[in-house]
Amino acid sequence: SQQGEEDPQALSIQEGENATMNCSYKTSINNLQWYRQNSGRGLVHLILIRSNEREKHSGRLRVTLDTSKKSSSLLITASRAADTASYFCAGVPTNYGGSQGNLIFGKGTKLSVKP
Amino acid sequence: KAGVTQTPRYLIKTRGQQVTLSCSPISGHRSVSWYQQTPGQGLQFLFEYFSETQRNKGNFPGRFSGRQFSNSRSEMNVSTLELGDSALYLCASSFLSGRESYEQYFGPGTRLTVT
Repeated sequence: SQQGEEDPQALSIQEGENATMNCSYKTSINNLQWYRQNSGRGLVHLILIRSNEREKHSGRLRVTLDTSKKSSSLLITASRAADTASYFCAGVPTNYGGSQGNLIFGKGTKLSVKP
Repeated sequence: KAGVTQTPRYLIKTRGQQVTLSCSPISGHRSVSWYQQTPGQGLQFLFEYFSETQRNKGNFPGRFSGRQFSNSRSEMNVSTLELGDSALYLCASSFLSGRESYEQYFGPGTRLTVT
């Protein structure tokens, strides 16, 4: 079962606005990754942040990680209609292996960006 | 480099039948993982193969099985299909396996419908 929770579950904004999605997880992780999924298709890797990093930027994306609170946030600045998708956080558990596998996914945030 | 490919893309089967899904990883990637995605349970880890060996297995019944070939291509099989097996099955490949895994590259998925 999943051990990550994204918040909010759904987010609707206008083009040009910023979108912030939060993720909380239960298990200790080695690194945390964010993925995007367009409707019913495969996931695309966006960014990876290691457990010893607090913040990372990539283009219009900014990710923060707070290991003490077991939480992460993804900020998309100046959003575009093409950013409409579901966004998932996924952690590589420190006790990697077993039934957890190599990535534990949250339930995702469905982002809708209106033109 | 060609991406991860999955065949078939869509499949309709009847309860009680069995099905085999195929995944070809990115060239040079030796780790292949399988995930099941449903609206209710989200993304759940099925199993991971690395160099033809199953490294991890998720909490799925024995009806779900898989294998990996020497060229890293992987197949998963579901026997005695149930209605609840209707889902998007995603395959992902990565160069490394284990705690230091980097991002995973996902295929477009196979949409399985069981009637």
